[in-house]
Amino acid sequence: AQSVAQPEDQVNVAEGNPLTVKCTYSVSGNPYLFWYVQYPNRGLQFLLKYITGDNLVKGSYGFEAEFNKSQTSFHLKKPSALVSDSALYFCAYGQNFVFGPGTRLSVLP
Amino acid sequence: EAQVTQNPRYLITVTGKKLTVTCSQNMNHEYMSWYRQDPGLGLRQIYYSMNVEVTDKGDVPEGYKVSRKEKRNFPLILESPSPNQTSLYFCASSIRTARDEQFFGPGTRLTVL
Repeated sequence: AQSVAQPEDQVNVAEGNPLTVKCTYSVSGNPYLFWYVQYPNRGLQFLLKYITGDNLVKGSYGFEAEFNKSQTSFHLKKPSALVSDSALYFCAYGQNFVFGPGTRLSVLP
Repeated sequence: EAQVTQNPRYLITVTGKKLTVTCSQNMNHEYMSWYRQDPGLGLRQIYYSMNVEVTDKGDVPEGYKVSRKEKRNFPLILESPSPNQTSLYFCASSIRTARDEQFFGPGTRLTVL
């Protein structure tokens, strides 16, 4: 069965430090992978996606993600975290609409 | 402004009372979908539609109905709501498929007493 895992429920990072939100996948076929962000009382917003090509994908708000086929991972990264990045982040597999459980990111001032 | 709208945003109802949550998009998207979000479970797909008059079940379709009579609208119908359908519901649309970026509505928080 296709699945997406986010091993951390919560990630805390100090403002200005780099952040990583982890995602691993188990899918057959092409790994169409997405990251979405959800701010309080809002719907999800698209950050970036990997379909094919360059393993390093750049997205909105300074975020990027690295697709690693050998480790079946698609971790979300940002070089310098902002307090305003605090939100719930979802990794998703696009082929059959599977979302991970979400990781709550808290950026501390 | 390109957007997905849902109504109502909040709804409290009682067991067995039929309800409809509306969803509309103004981007001429072919693909539309309904999800429910529950703590610790992420988003789970209820139903999706690839185009007008084409709908299919997602992972958790039991207790729900949908229709796609017009391209822009994709209502979610609960014929006889039960307390286990208390959840946060999101409608989403994309240009053609789930491999495209999805645009999400603001959500509908439903409580079934």
